[in-house]
Amino acid sequence: GAVVSQHPSRVICKSGTSVKIECRSLDFQATTMFWYRQFPKQSLMLMATSNEGSKATYEQGVEKDKFLINHASLTLSTLTVTSAHPEDSSFYICSARESHQQFFGPGTRLTVL
Amino acid sequence: SQQGEEDPQALSIQEGENATMNCSYKTSINNLQWYRQNSGRGLVHLILIRSNEREKHSGRLRVTLDTSKKSSSLLITASRAADTASYFCATDDAASKLTFGTGTRLQVTL
Repeated sequence: GAVVSQHPSRVICKSGTSVKIECRSLDFQATTMFWYRQFPKQSLMLMATSNEGSKATYEQGVEKDKFLINHASLTLSTLTVTSAHPEDSSFYICSARESHQQFFGPGTRLTVL
Repeated sequence: SQQGEEDPQALSIQEGENATMNCSYKTSINNLQWYRQNSGRGLVHLILIRSNEREKHSGRLRVTLDTSKKSSSLLITASRAADTASYFCATDDAASKLTFGTGTRLQVTL
C-alpha cells in the first residue's frame, strides 16, 4: 500500500516556540492531505484539510493562525504550531488520500513544556 | 459533533475468544472503515465496507453494516495477544472526510 511519512516522530519544545511537522507521501502524489490531533486515550479529531496549491480548510474551532498549513507540492504538507503552549501537547497525525483510501502517517508526539 | 460512538469503550478477553466491537454514526456515508492503532502509533487500515454492502470478510475479521440503523460491527475471531490495540471506525462522507468513532481499547490476554 501507499506510504506516508511524518517528521519528526517526537518533539519537545519550550512554551512560546513554533514547531513544524512534515507529512510526505512517499510513493504517490496527494492533492489532498489531512491533519488530525489525538489527545491521550481519545479519538482522532480532524483539524484541517490541506489542498495542494490552495489554502487549507479548517474545521470549526481550529485556529488557522495558530496551526499554519502549507501544501506546496503534491508530496509534502507541513503543519506549523505557532507559539506552542502546554495545551497544544498532543499526537498529530497526517493522512494522504489515494483513490478512495486514506493512508496515515506514523504520527508526531508534541510535548510543550 | 459528528463523531460516531463505539462500544464497548474497553474490552478484555482471553486469547482464542472472539471480540466484537460496535460503531454507530449519525450522517449518510459513502463507506465505513475500520482502523487499528497500537499505543502511540499511527493507524493501520483494516477493512472498508461500502454503503451498499452488508457484510465483508478479511481473514479473521468480519464487518457488518446496517445503514438503516447507522451502525456497524467488527468481529475478530480467534483473537491473539497481538490483536491488543485500539480499534476505530471511521465514516467517509460525500465530502471525502473521515469522521472517527470514539474507539474501543481491546486487551487480549494469554
